[in-house]
Amino acid sequence: EPEVTQTPSHQVTQMGQEVILRCVPISNHLYFYWYRQILGQKVEFLVSFYNNEISEKSEIFDDQFSVERPDGSNFTLKIRSTKLEDSAMYFCASSVSGLENEQYFGPGTRLTVT
Amino acid sequence: AQSVAQPEDQVNVAEGNPLTVKCTYSVSGNPYLFWYVQYPNRGLQFLLKYITGDNLVKGSYGFEAEFNKSQTSFHLKKPSALVSDSALYFCAVSLTSGGYNKLIFGAGTRLAVHP
Repeated sequence: EPEVTQTPSHQVTQMGQEVILRCVPISNHLYFYWYRQILGQKVEFLVSFYNNEISEKSEIFDDQFSVERPDGSNFTLKIRSTKLEDSAMYFCASSVSGLENEQYFGPGTRLTVT
Repeated sequence: AQSVAQPEDQVNVAEGNPLTVKCTYSVSGNPYLFWYVQYPNRGLQFLLKYITGDNLVKGSYGFEAEFNKSQTSFHLKKPSALVSDSALYFCAVSLTSGGYNKLIFGAGTRLAVHP
C-alpha cells in the first residue's frame, strides 16, 4: 500500500540554524500539507499546498517557514532560523483532493532545537 | 471558533468489551468528520470519515462512528475491543476553504485495552 514517507526521522539542530524537513507524498495525490505537534499538545495545521503554491497557512506559519515542491516527488518544509519553540513532531500529509478525501500522514520528523 | 473536543484523556476497557471514544465538535456549516489512530513511532492512520448520508459509518479494524447532528458528536465505537487497539485516537474536523481543506484535531484520547 502506498504511504507517505518523511526524512529524517529525528533532527537535532542548534537555535538559529536552518533545517529542511523532507516528505515524499503518495504519488497520485495533488494536495500536500504540513502539521506539527508540540509534545503533549494538539496536532496543529501549518500549511496546505496545491498546484505549486500555498493554498492556506496558519498564523504559526510565519516568514521563517517556507514550503517547496522542488521536483515531482518531494515536498519540503524549511525553517530558516530555528527557535527553541519550534521543537515538535512535524507531520507531512497528502490527499487526492482537497474536499472530502482523507489525508494520509507520514510517520513524522521529530525536530529538537537546542 | 471551529473546534473539536475529546473530553477523555484516557479510556480503559477490558478486552472483549465494547469501547467508546467520545468526540464533539463546533463548526459552522456541515462538517466533514474523521477519526485517526496513532501507534507509537508511527504517523496518524486514517480510520473512518463522515461526509454525508447514513449517520453510522464503518471503518478499518472493525471501528465505527455515529454522527449525531443535534448533539454535535461523532463518537468512535467498537463492539469488542482487542489489546492491539491500544493507541492514541484523534478526532478531526475538516474545514473547507476555497476548495482546500485543513484538519482541526482534538487533543487525542489514549485507549488502553487490558487483557
